[in-house]
This record gives sequence, C-alpha cells and structure tokens, in this order.
Amino acid sequence: AQSVTQLDSQVPVFEEAPVELRCNYSSSVSVYLFWYVQYPNQGLQLLLKYLSGSTLVKGINGFEAEFNKSQTSFHLRKPSVHISDTAEYFCAVSGIQGAQKLVFGQGTRLTINP
Amino acid sequence: DTEVTQTPKHLVMGMTNKKSLKCEQHMGHRAMYWYKQKAKKPPELMFVYSYEKLSINESVPSRFSPECPNSSLLNLHLHALQPEDSALYLCASSRQVPGGGETQYFGPGTRLLVL
Repeated sequence: AQSVTQLDSQVPVFEEAPVELRCNYSSSVSVYLFWYVQYPNQGLQLLLKYLSGSTLVKGINGFEAEFNKSQTSFHLRKPSVHISDTAEYFCAVSGIQGAQKLVFGQGTRLTINP
Repeated sequence: DTEVTQTPKHLVMGMTNKKSLKCEQHMGHRAMYWYKQKAKKPPELMFVYSYEKLSINESVPSRFSPECPNSSLLNLHLHALQPEDSALYLCASSRQVPGGGETQYFGPGTRLLVL
C-alpha cells in the first residue's frame, strides 16, 4: 500500500517570492510520483511527474520537483510565484504496473498575496 | 492533446432520481477512471476500466453503476443516491507509454448535488 503526506495544509506567500510545497510518500514497492494543481471549481491539471531517470523534473508554469529516494520525498518548488498560482496542489503516487489508482495527499492550499 | 470532457458540468437530483454522468476522451487512452472528490478533500478512486473491462472497484455502493460502452466513453449511472453523495465527480484517462509509465489526465468534473 502507498500513502502520501503533504506537510503543509496552507502556504501563504508574497508575489514574486519563492515557494516550496513539501510531499513525502511511503511505499513498499516502486512508485511513480505526480503533482497536480486544482484551480477553484475545476478539475485536476498535471504539473509534472517523476517516472524514472533524472531526479529533477521540470513541469508547466515554471514549477519543478526533486525526487529524493532516501528521504522518500518529492517536494515542489517555484522560484518566483504569481497571483495566478493561487490554487490547491496535490501530490500523488501510483504503482508502476498498468492502470493503477492514484493515492493523493491531503493537498496544500497555496495563497499568493500581492 | 490531453483533453477529457465530462457532461453535465452541474447536476441536481433527488434521492429517487436516476441520472448518468458521461466522460469522453479521444486520445486513444486504454484506461479510464472515476474519482469522487468531497469539498476540501483529495480525490478518491471509485472505479478503473482497462481495455473496456472493469479492473478495479473500490468497494463502491451499488447505487453507483459504471459502464464503458467503448474505448472512448465512460458512464456513471446514478440511482437512489443519498445527500452525502454530493461531490465533484472526476473522470480521468491514461495510456501506457513504453518505458514512460502511465499518467492520468483529468476532466473538469461534474458537480453533483443530491437533495
């Protein structure tokens, strides 16, 4: 079984400041890792994913994340945030064999203040 | 192109009604999913269809009945729902890429209110 812990339920940040959203996972098998963003009253949009290879992955909207196997973490970062980044961010894991369920963390509400 | 469409966007139904949610994708994805998301919570998996066959049912009550008529279409039939079933219902699809894993792409969701 897998589980995901997002360590911060809310993160307030000023515009143009850097941000890091933390995610730790637990699994007894190999996993794939994802970050999704959900804007108000919308579905989930894929930001980035780690499947294999380089541990630093770059996604859309200037976000990146680093997979750290020893610390079982997959933290999301952006060097300079914009008001439009205000949203709910979900970290998720899945198994690597076939069509698997995504197990989500509880989400982090990112609020950008002017 | 990673578009998954869902209809309707909003649905209000009584506890005795029968209604259906529809999800469509034309990306050639072989797996389709239904998730339920309550307010301020993460999505929770309900069903997975792989190659048009039900492969995962997360012990969902029988008042929710999924159907996959073809590889592009996924329905969720609703009957005798309860007010606590009010939620955002999200559909997703995925395609396995050789050496690249399987990534799920989500639709915009149907917001369901049960009165």
